[in-house]
Amino acid sequence: EAGVAQSPRYKIIEKRQSVAFWCNPISGHATLYWYQQILGQGPKLLIQFQNNGVVDDSQLPKDRFSAERLKGVDSTLKIQPAKLEDSAVYLCASSLVGDRGYETQYFGPGTRLLVL
Amino acid sequence: AQSVTQPDIHITVSEGASLELRCNYSYGATPYLFWYVQSPGQGLQLLLKYFSGDTLVQGIKGFEAEFKRSQSSFNLRKPSVHWSDAAEYFCAVAPNQAGTALIFGKGTTLSVSS
Repeated sequence: EAGVAQSPRYKIIEKRQSVAFWCNPISGHATLYWYQQILGQGPKLLIQFQNNGVVDDSQLPKDRFSAERLKGVDSTLKIQPAKLEDSAVYLCASSLVGDRGYETQYFGPGTRLLVL
Repeated sequence: AQSVTQPDIHITVSEGASLELRCNYSYGATPYLFWYVQSPGQGLQLLLKYFSGDTLVQGIKGFEAEFKRSQSSFNLRKPSVHWSDAAEYFCAVAPNQAGTALIFGKGTTLSVSS
């Protein structure tokens, strides 16, 4: 079974530029998460989707970050404009819908972003 | 607010020695508890999880963890560490309900000396 796919794996941009990350979850997983992992810290949730609807985006800096999951499968996370403090690893995770209890989240390899 | 504390930022263990990584959580009820491992340049891999029942849970790669409600702890253990266990380890919790995001600790980096 294929895992969670993410691209690109690495990205270097100048501050104030825009950038987009892509995630393709495990087939059949209705729930998709984007986490931000700053160096030396644990991952922190940015946004959670169930199918193509947003479940939780309370920690997403909406003035510069946006995310979509138009067809309920793959997802794109965008930063515009980027700031130096956005340098981090962006992790995508997916899980089955948790209506039978908690479902394990499976993580992709992440996209490492460096903002100069 | 829910939180996870991993008191040790960095631990070095000799190969073949035992390992214990500490994790304490703050939550009103018993949450779901997890340990993930992250190797350099890799995503997070689930080692084990606790939902309910037996408080000693077995995971992959020879790891186990024990849930202690009285201490709000979920410490990870391995009886004999291998050089390939060198990685970063994250403890995480989720509220005791379906489909909620994980709250992670800051992680513990494990180095293995020969």
